[in-house]
Amino acid sequence: AQSVTQLGSHVSVSEGALVLLRCNYSSSVPPYLFWYVQYPNQGLQLLLKYTTGATLVKGINGFEAEFKKSETSFHLTKPSAHMSDAAEYFCAVIVNNAGNMLTFGGGTRLMVKP
Amino acid sequence: KAGVTQTPRYLIKTRGQQVTLSCSPISGHRSVSWYQQTPGQGLQFLFEYFSETQRNKGNFPGRFSGRQFSNSRSEMNVSTLELGDSALYLCASSPDRATPHEQYFGPGTRLTVT
Repeated sequence: AQSVTQLGSHVSVSEGALVLLRCNYSSSVPPYLFWYVQYPNQGLQLLLKYTTGATLVKGINGFEAEFKKSETSFHLTKPSAHMSDAAEYFCAVIVNNAGNMLTFGGGTRLMVKP
Repeated sequence: KAGVTQTPRYLIKTRGQQVTLSCSPISGHRSVSWYQQTPGQGLQFLFEYFSETQRNKGNFPGRFSGRQFSNSRSEMNVSTLELGDSALYLCASSPDRATPHEQYFGPGTRLTVT
């Protein structure tokens, strides 16, 4: 069975600073990997995904993530944080024989200080 | 295209009652998945429906059930409500299982059980 671990339930950065949200997964087969963002009282919005091919994936709002198979990681980064980035971020995995069943990490709440 | 819609957005029920939540997927999407989000357990997969058939089921008791109609709209039902069923219930739609599993989430239904 696959699992997803997000290191740090809360991360605080200053506006303009680098954002780094960590995600590690365990899966016996190559997974599909996703990052979602959730703003208060809203559903989840897909930031980016890795399925196959290039391991550095670019998403919306300036975010990107790199799939590192050897480290079983899929960390999310953004060079310069903006106040509007404050939200909760979820890493998720689908094993390729599991239909659309997403397994989520516990989430990381990103706070951006002015 | 209109996004995923969920009705109602908020619901208050009493223990022992039952509840039905509705989800209308994006037009043309055939897969609908349901997730439960709570502060304690995070985001957990409930079930997925594709072409009116349940394709995957999460680890929830039989009180949780769902169905999908020929127009891809889906409902989930929770019978004999318990306090622990208080949660945000999210619905997600996807075009097809064969595509890279990109799912689009609705805003959720906030269920409070008293």
